[in-house]
Amino acid sequence: DIQMTQSPSTLSASVGDRVTITCRASQSINNWLAWYQQKPGKAPNLLIYKASSLPSGVPSRFSGSGSGTEFTLTINCLQPDDFATYYCQQYNSYFPTFGGGTKVEIK
Amino acid sequence: EVQLVESGGGLVQPGGSLRLSCAASGFTFSNYWMSWVRQAPGKGLEWVANIKQDGSEKNYVDSVKGRFTISRDNAKNSLYLQMNSLRAEDTAVYHCVRDGDDNWNDWGTVWGQGTLVTVSS
Repeated sequence: DIQMTQSPSTLSASVGDRVTITCRASQSINNWLAWYQQKPGKAPNLLIYKASSLPSGVPSRFSGSGSGTEFTLTINCLQPDDFATYYCQQYNSYFPTFGGGTKVEIK
Repeated sequence: EVQLVESGGGLVQPGGSLRLSCAASGFTFSNYWMSWVRQAPGKGLEWVANIKQDGSEKNYVDSVKGRFTISRDNAKNSLYLQMNSLRAEDTAVYHCVRDGDDNWNDWGTVWGQGTLVTVSS
């Protein structure tokens, strides 16, 4: 199975900051990578698909980049609503796997 | 409205069984792979199982192989997870998730709110 290593596990930031979260796959996943945001008690919400595509309705301050095995989620100008936990997920194989998550906290 | 609604969770003793259901609406259910994803209290997301559109292919995470069975009824727009020989470590919120179509379009855009399974004596 493909292992997804996400870092950091926790990140402290202030409103207006630019934050970056990294996800590394144990083998190439051909850009089949998704990023989700999750708030306590809620289901995850898709932010990015195919490594860099934004679904409709997702604010443009969210962006994804990377290829092969290294991927990045960037949040520009962090907003109060962005304090949450973020997960990457590969779906290159029929055994999709998640990263361990990154909690973005208020500094 | 596109939605997934899970049911069937609850408290069960170790070694017991439970069947989860997921009712889909607002989209052509038979066009999509479907998954179950779980989240233990205070922990991250874990993919559990998925099933192809026609039910001909099913995949499982190693920790549930031989104990859980995923199935679907396209006529009823429903997804199921039969869970047997339950263990304390299966305690989690179980989400029904719409995967992609044959081209992996629309991946991960629809999640149910989840149903809580608690395995405890």
